[in-house]
Amino acid sequence: RKEVEQDPGPFNVPEGATVAFNCTYSNSASQSFFWYRQDCRKEPKLLMSVYSSGNEDGRFTAQLNRASQYISLLIRDSKLSDSATYLCVVNTGFQKLVFGTGTRLLVSP
Amino acid sequence: DAGVIQSPRHEVTEMGQEVTLRCKPISGHNSLFWYRQTMMRGLELLIYFNNNVPIDDSGMPEDRFSAKMPNASFSTLKIQPSEPRDSAVYFCASSFGANSKETQYFGPGTRLLVL
Repeated sequence: RKEVEQDPGPFNVPEGATVAFNCTYSNSASQSFFWYRQDCRKEPKLLMSVYSSGNEDGRFTAQLNRASQYISLLIRDSKLSDSATYLCVVNTGFQKLVFGTGTRLLVSP
Repeated sequence: DAGVIQSPRHEVTEMGQEVTLRCKPISGHNSLFWYRQTMMRGLELLIYFNNNVPIDDSGMPEDRFSAKMPNASFSTLKIQPSEPRDSAVYFCASSFGANSKETQYFGPGTRLLVL
């Protein structure tokens, strides 16, 4: 079983739609959680950290459920520029990040 | 400010040759990470350094891979001899501090093709 599992997609949505991605992790001792974004042929970049109480950054909302070992990302009012691969990332200790294989999002006009 | 710098950006080599990838972390960052990304396995941590000292190399696939960090501003990842299955994008990342919540900043990557 992979340490971090994501639906690879792709998720095809029209502009303005709301889309949600989910992720599960296996290591219950994981300490911190993130969503990274990776554009085609580019490096991953931090989108947002995920906090136990849930957090929002503009159109993006992240949730963490430690009991179920489940992380989610909600994108409201999708833009064409949101098209990318979204990587669920878990810190399993010290600075060791474990990446999911990513969920691809395609936003169409 | 300059981000993480990697060179070369692309490398094509033949099986059996030595490959050296280079990384310059963001100035002031004291942790450096080498990752490999493939379609099949996604992004995998190979090794990371803190204050120039290797902390965890459990992700290094085998003895053909080695990494060094002789000073705070430079690191190398070497593959000798290279094999076709080493073809991947290799990313270097850096961060400041040893806190698990620190953001890692990635370089643009080196696309390696071993023929």
